[in-house]
Amino acid sequence: KAGVTQTPRYLIKTRGQQVTLSCSPISGHRSVSWYQQTPGQGLQFLFEYFSETQRNKGNFPGRFSGRQFSNSRSEMNVSTLELGDSALYLCASRGGFGISYEQYFGPGTRLTVT
Amino acid sequence: GQQLNQSPQSMFIQEGEDVSMNCTSSSIFNTWLWYKQDPGEGPVLLIALYKAGELTSNGRLTAQFGITRKDSFLNISASIPSDVGIYFCAGSTGANSKLTFGKGITLSVRP
Repeated sequence: KAGVTQTPRYLIKTRGQQVTLSCSPISGHRSVSWYQQTPGQGLQFLFEYFSETQRNKGNFPGRFSGRQFSNSRSEMNVSTLELGDSALYLCASRGGFGISYEQYFGPGTRLTVT
Repeated sequence: GQQLNQSPQSMFIQEGEDVSMNCTSSSIFNTWLWYKQDPGEGPVLLIALYKAGELTSNGRLTAQFGITRKDSFLNISASIPSDVGIYFCAGSTGANSKLTFGKGITLSVRP
């Protein structure tokens, strides 16, 4: 079974721009979560989607948004990029919201904001 | 908010040694998960624990769900160079809840 895939793997953007990251969950998994990982703050939860609806949300500003499609693929968008948004963005999938705990991570997208 | 504490931040051991790391919380969790992350990759799930007192093994790895439900332990026996990486604990209060992660412990193994 293929794992979680994320595209692109690396991205360089300029402050003020916006960016869209993509995540395809493990086949059959319907829940997708997004995390931001930085050396100083560790793994911070952004949001979780299940059945195209946001189910959980972390403490990030509104510049961070996401969506999920009917095939469970998910995208996250960051608008008006700031230097502090440079991080590894990780996507994780699990079988279903409310029925499974185990999350499986993709390789991440390394975003650098200059 | 909920926080998971992992310390120390880094551990250095000799190849062949056993190592234990723990994860503590002031809150009760219903599930504990342990992950390992290699440089440039996403975390990989090592062990999942669902019941207080549960002891689960995965090869040379053994993890326990503390009976207070506020802590968990991971033991790696007979360490090898490929055990190098960052080990994260994560807890959940319910299947509809987000995972809370510790800051991780960076493990170095000297040959």
